[in-house]
Amino acid sequence: RKEVEQDPGPFNVPEGATVAFNCTYSNSASQSFFWYRQDCRKEPKLLMSVYSSGNEDGRFTAQLNRASQYISLLIRDSKLSDSATYLCVVNNFNKFYFGSGTKLNVKP
Amino acid sequence: ETGVTQSPTHLIKTRGQQVTLRCSSQSGHNTVSWYQQALGQGPQFIFQYYREEENGRGNFPPRFSGLQFPNYSSELNVNALELDDSALYLCASSAPGLDSQETQYFGPGTRLLVL
Repeated sequence: RKEVEQDPGPFNVPEGATVAFNCTYSNSASQSFFWYRQDCRKEPKLLMSVYSSGNEDGRFTAQLNRASQYISLLIRDSKLSDSATYLCVVNNFNKFYFGSGTKLNVKP
Repeated sequence: ETGVTQSPTHLIKTRGQQVTLRCSSQSGHNTVSWYQQALGQGPQFIFQYYREEENGRGNFPPRFSGLQFPNYSSELNVNALELDDSALYLCASSAPGLDSQETQYFGPGTRLLVL
């Protein structure tokens, strides 16, 4: 079983839509969680850390459910510039596990 | 820009050769992690170096080895290259905080092609 699993998508949505991604992780002792964004042929860039209480950054909201071992990312009012691959990341005692990414295409 | 740099940007090698990739961490960061990203996949954790010592390793064979220097820059060495080693190699630097919310900042990567 993979450490981190994500739906690969692609998610094709119109501008202005709300879209949600989920990610599950296998190790209940995982310590910290992140969402990264990766554009085609570029390096991953940190989008946001994910805290147990949930956190919001503008149009982006991240949630962590430790009991069910899943992490979510909600994007509201999608922009064309949100088109990218979104990577879920889990830290297990200094080993960082990435999901394979969920591809988002936002269309005009 | 993250301030993390990697060299070279692209590299072509043949099977059986050895390769060394280099990474300079962001100023103030004492931890460097290396990842392998195959096409269409997420980055796979190779290992992490903290203050010149290996501080965590993923499921990669011993022919993947590394070093970290006193200035916190790092090298990834791969011996006996195989075709499947063709990938984007990413380095990420971080400065672990007290609350373990360790945020990693990635360099642009080195694209390795093994023929």
